[in-house]
Amino acid sequence: QVQLKESGPGLVQPSETLSLTCTVSGFSLTSYNVHWVRQPPGKGLEWMGVMWSGGSTDYNSALKSRLSISRDTSKNQVFLKMNSLQSEDTTTYYCAREGTGDFDYWGQGVMVTVSS
Amino acid sequence: DIQMTQSPASLSASLEEIVTITCQASQDIGNWLAWYQQKPGKSPQLMIYGATSLADGVPSRFSGSRSGTQYSLRISRLQVEDIGIYYCLQAYSAPRTFGGGTKLELK
Repeated sequence: QVQLKESGPGLVQPSETLSLTCTVSGFSLTSYNVHWVRQPPGKGLEWMGVMWSGGSTDYNSALKSRLSISRDTSKNQVFLKMNSLQSEDTTTYYCAREGTGDFDYWGQGVMVTVSS
Repeated sequence: DIQMTQSPASLSASLEEIVTITCQASQDIGNWLAWYQQKPGKSPQLMIYGATSLADGVPSRFSGSRSGTQYSLRISRLQVEDIGIYYCLQAYSAPRTFGGGTKLELK
């Protein structure tokens, strides 16, 4: 069945770089788009960016200068890297598969705290 | 970027009551609109896709509609398990954008 699972450090130092991995199963990264979404505690959902099935990417313009999304199709993994982390980057990060336009499957999310 | 204006931000309703949540798109997005329900500590769950299609396993008391660039999620008879936060998502173009969310509580 379709599954997505985020992994990464729970704690990151301010100004450091965050590296997250989304490991997928049950579908091919070359057939489906995978998005990253984040959610600060008690707040709404923010779209971060997408790895299109063809291998290109798009980013939220507010994060574009700090964000990079890549993938390894052989390992069924999509990667998120974001630099210059600040306290406002303390959120839960989700990866999600795009179905017919919607995000039909989501990972469980990974909480990341930015603190020294 | 396409803006999604969701209302109300919070809503208190009684069991069996009809509930309606709306999202207004800043431009034409066709039927590229999805609704999600999120419960505390959980990932969002797809409820409606294509503006009006019910996702698998979602009770038939949920429905979605569209009038121009205004989209609505309707719960015909509110149940306890429907409590949570609801978000709309425009899937017409990148960047994807979510509505601000509606917190649905029991009165």
